[in-house]
Amino acid sequence: QSALIQPPSASGSPGQSVTVSCTGGSSDVGGYNYVSWYQQHPGKAPKLMIYEVSKRPSGVPDRFSGSKSGNTASLTVSGLQAEDEADYYCSSYGGSNNVIFGGGTKLTVL
Amino acid sequence: EVQLVESGGGLVQPGGSLRLSCATSGFSFSVYWMTWVRQAPGKGLEWVAKMNQDGSERHYVDSVKGRFTISRDSTENSLYLQMNSLRAEDTAIYYCARDGFAVALDYWGQGTLVTVSS
Repeated sequence: QSALIQPPSASGSPGQSVTVSCTGGSSDVGGYNYVSWYQQHPGKAPKLMIYEVSKRPSGVPDRFSGSKSGNTASLTVSGLQAEDEADYYCSSYGGSNNVIFGGGTKLTVL
Repeated sequence: EVQLVESGGGLVQPGGSLRLSCATSGFSFSVYWMTWVRQAPGKGLEWVAKMNQDGSERHYVDSVKGRFTISRDSTENSLYLQMNSLRAEDTAIYYCARDGFAVALDYWGQGTLVTVSS
């Protein structure tokens, strides 16, 4: 299966909101409510930020939110802070016990 | 504190083999599915393989089927990835991760680098 489609880059100023999209198809993003989002700082392991489309693990700030419409999922970061600058990856269950990641989006805080 | 520590990476020639290990602590290892994810240098994340609690289910990305084998030892609280017939395109940092929620990886190790080159 092909990787989920994410924009290569996104940016915003401190305090602003930014949304990152993740587009798949009816056999992955659109077919299941199993979309996750990960944050990865340079040289570090990924960190789970959102699971099951819109749920936040304990300890993740509520500035991070997730949603889905049809075959596209979205991650919104509100009240941007300098430490939010990182790469963000979406993932989805792809059926047949497969997991698919997106290509990643580099978020820059201006 | 949940911890996952990978080891076993290194430089290997094309066609060679390598066995990665992931030692875990701080949680009930036998309760969770476990997963391997890799990241080629400067590239995105790629799911590689996952395994259920008792080893009765193992699933792989198509590109490694027949070459890689995921396994686990609940007495050692450890996850493994046996990699055979390695290719240059297998060069990546390999992460082990815990499936904490439905298809979501809530804890990750720091990764181990595998380089396939002559």
